[in-house]
Amino acid sequence: KQEVTQIPAALSVPEGENLVLNCSFTDSAIYNLQWFRQDPGKGLTSLLLIQSSQREQTSGRLNASLDKSSGRSTLYIAASQPGDSATYLCAVNSEVVKAAGNKLTFGGGTRVLVKP
Amino acid sequence: EAQVTQNPRYLITVTGKKLTVTCSQNMNHEYMSWYRQDPGLGLRQIYYSMNVEVTDKGDVPEGYKVSRKEKRNFPLILESPSPNQTSLYFCASSFRKNMNTEAFFGQGTRLTVV
Repeated sequence: KQEVTQIPAALSVPEGENLVLNCSFTDSAIYNLQWFRQDPGKGLTSLLLIQSSQREQTSGRLNASLDKSSGRSTLYIAASQPGDSATYLCAVNSEVVKAAGNKLTFGGGTRVLVKP
Repeated sequence: EAQVTQNPRYLITVTGKKLTVTCSQNMNHEYMSWYRQDPGLGLRQIYYSMNVEVTDKGDVPEGYKVSRKEKRNFPLILESPSPNQTSLYFCASSFRKNMNTEAFFGQGTRLTVV
């Protein structure tokens, strides 16, 4: 069974500081890992998708790394802004649930507050 | 624009009154699924569909039904809603054949059952 953990559950930083969000998973046999952003009471916005063969993926101020062997991914957000305040979720598409197709196993999320 | 559309966005209903939450995607995705999100429990899969007329239970299917008569639509049906089904619901879709594929999510439906 795949389990995904995100620590810390909440994070508060001053504007301009770099954000480092962690995601760990128990089964390294994954197809991909996806990072999402969720604003309060809103939908999930896909930020980055890292395929199992990749080590990192970048989009603007966002950079996500993947270390399959250790079961870890890290999302870096450079020069944080108040608009980055949201909950960030990581989700893993695992081979162990292949029978369920593209089922995603989600972490509990990290709630981020960027103070002006 | 590629998107997953859910309706309604907000719904308040009474116990036992049947309701349907619709989900539609315009990306020709084979795979569609429903999740519910609850505080402290995260997102859990309710049902999924690999393709038209192919559906199966996820982790928390009790009290829900689905159908997949067309590729683009995947409605979630609550035959007799109960207060413990009060939650935030998400529909998602992705390509099935390529497992290295991005999942797209709808904007969510906040359901309250009183």
